[in-house]
Amino acid sequence: ETGVTQTPRHLVMGMTNKKSLKCEQHLGHNAMYWYKQSAKKPLELMFVYNFKEQTENNSVPSRFSPECPNSSHLFLHLHTLQPEDSALYLCASGGGGDTGELFFGEGSRLTVL
Amino acid sequence: GQNIDQPTEMTATEGAIVQINCTYQTSGFNGLFWYQQHAGEAPTFLSYNVLDGLEEKGRFSSFLSRSKGYSYLLLKELQMKDSASYLCAVTDSNYQLIWGAGTKLIIKP
Repeated sequence: ETGVTQTPRHLVMGMTNKKSLKCEQHLGHNAMYWYKQSAKKPLELMFVYNFKEQTENNSVPSRFSPECPNSSHLFLHLHTLQPEDSALYLCASGGGGDTGELFFGEGSRLTVL
Repeated sequence: GQNIDQPTEMTATEGAIVQINCTYQTSGFNGLFWYQQHAGEAPTFLSYNVLDGLEEKGRFSSFLSRSKGYSYLLLKELQMKDSASYLCAVTDSNYQLIWGAGTKLIIKP
């Protein structure tokens, strides 16, 4: 239990579907992150929010739309995805303190058919 | 460009010692992290090095040489539960985290 909870854990969707991933953290952190993890590749940073404001969008296609209603919740809205978007999507919070370590959720495994 | 290199996969025997290397080329340096990720689980923080030298934490130690752009994670008295992926990440001069692709460690009885 890392203090960061992601739902759903698994999601299968067609290319025309709309779905959302949810992340919730109970650690009191002000920064939240979305990462994409593909097999044998480095983690790819997608979005960063600090105090509910988006501070980084790493050239992510518009079919991914983040939302951060408050410092504890983060969403990733998905629309007209492509098969190559199939991956594990990790949410993280933190980045402060002495080391700036991140606390990750267990991820949402997305399969796009 | 910025780059982190670590072996894709390593195999070791239960009870033995294994060293996982990480080399980096980044724009500046503000710290190096090691994370552990079991299959299907969240990456979890293992260690942080910002100064040269060895940081020891129980069975795990992490070493850093900034002049060589090099770090290693040393795991002693290996246990089956140490089978996982180990991720190396460096914070650059803009405090951006640059990640390696991870090393999958397989422990055999």
